[in-house]
Amino acid sequence: NAGVTQTPKFQVLKTGQSMTLQCAQDMNHEYMSWYRQDPGMGLRLIHYSVGAGITDQGEVPNGYNVSRSTTEDFPLRLLSAAPSQTSVYFCASSTTGARSYEQYFGPGTRLTVT
Amino acid sequence: AQRVTQPEKLLSVFKGAPVELKCNYSYSGSPELFWYVQYSRQRLQLLLRHISRESIKGFTADLNKGETSFHLKKPFAQEEDSAMYYCALSGWGLTGGGNKLTFGTGTQLKVEL
Repeated sequence: NAGVTQTPKFQVLKTGQSMTLQCAQDMNHEYMSWYRQDPGMGLRLIHYSVGAGITDQGEVPNGYNVSRSTTEDFPLRLLSAAPSQTSVYFCASSTTGARSYEQYFGPGTRLTVT
Repeated sequence: AQRVTQPEKLLSVFKGAPVELKCNYSYSGSPELFWYVQYSRQRLQLLLRHISRESIKGFTADLNKGETSFHLKKPFAQEEDSAMYYCALSGWGLTGGGNKLTFGTGTQLKVEL
């Protein structure tokens, strides 16, 4: 049981490039989400999904796309990278139905955009 | 809108001293609150949730609805408590269900010998 996995661990992009951050979980969780972590700003929700085929925007969705074709995978796409997207990205998953459920986090992807 | 405020970026205490990490929230409904912790080079993990009323690693947190606070406390700090602590509030997403967390900005706890 690997939990939540993210690839890559580190990535450097040039402004304007696109890429996909991968996230997978093997706990059969319906809920998955993406956060970015910036110094002094905590974690901010980018996008989330309550099940395959259902996604919604979080607090800071601009510049990012998501899709959820399977329960296990929830990739995050950067369409045209900008230096403001330099951050650490965390994927998380949990069961749904109650707000008290624990969220399980991946190890993070550190992205630098030059 | 839901909001979580952690006023201290850094809290430095000596080993054996009491610890209190402050968290205040704003939420129009009935709140579900958590403390998450991130130790050095480890992933973010749940420390405790208010609904469980539990003590984890000696830490406790009581929800005070009158003061809209959920402060994290420990009577005697240990060196291994040094970490980044995030207070978080759970609200329903627009599509219903799920566990949409809003985090505070975090407090770095440093326990000195």
